[in-house]
Amino acid sequence: QSALTQPASVSGSPGQSITISCTGTSSDVGGYNFVSWFQQHPGKAPKLMISEGSKRPSGVSNRFSGSKSGNTASLTVSGLQAEDEADYYCCSYAGASWVFGGGTKLTVL
Amino acid sequence: QVQLRESGPGLVKPSQTLSLTCTVSGASISSGSYYWSWIRQPAGKGLEYIGRIYTSGTTNYNPSLKSRVTISLDTSKNQFSLKLNSVTAADTAVYYCARVGGGLDFDYWGQGMLVTVSS
Repeated sequence: QSALTQPASVSGSPGQSITISCTGTSSDVGGYNFVSWFQQHPGKAPKLMISEGSKRPSGVSNRFSGSKSGNTASLTVSGLQAEDEADYYCCSYAGASWVFGGGTKLTVL
Repeated sequence: QVQLRESGPGLVKPSQTLSLTCTVSGASISSGSYYWSWIRQPAGKGLEYIGRIYTSGTTNYNPSLKSRVTISLDTSKNQFSLKLNSVTAADTAVYYCARVGGGLDFDYWGQGMLVTVSS
């Protein structure tokens, strides 16, 4: 059960869009439509931003969107705002268990 | 609104057993099709799935921790618990309890509890 692969960091200017990738295998990301994305600010618990690959929970801005192709899932944040600066984690169901990505630090320049 | 809160000792000696409890409010852990889980995060590092328990009591554990972990339910108190034995400094982390929702995602989280393993 290896961790999913995410870039360590991404950055963008206010108003721009960024995309964070999350690569797994056919045993996790590619095998199930249950990829979720979390936002974590320093000292806080993770917050669910995307569920089942592309669904936004109630209250999450529509600037956040998710997609998947094969063994790779992606999170896109459009119209970057200062408060989007945080760590982002992907997570995939892997048949009775779950596996997380290593996390990506988003910096808003 | 579903709320979870972790509690337990914040300091554990090496080789001893780490024990944490998650108290759930706003939902019954003995009903509904939910899993109740534990996740940890060492300082400055990523999230690691520890394990989960279903309302029926069936469990699943991360293979890397399976030999040392036990998760159990106390339905009378609406709580579930984590025991991790033979701890070392590598087990120092913030421990979160979380609910697994219908989308097989962790939809509600506790605020997290720092557990330090040190003599």
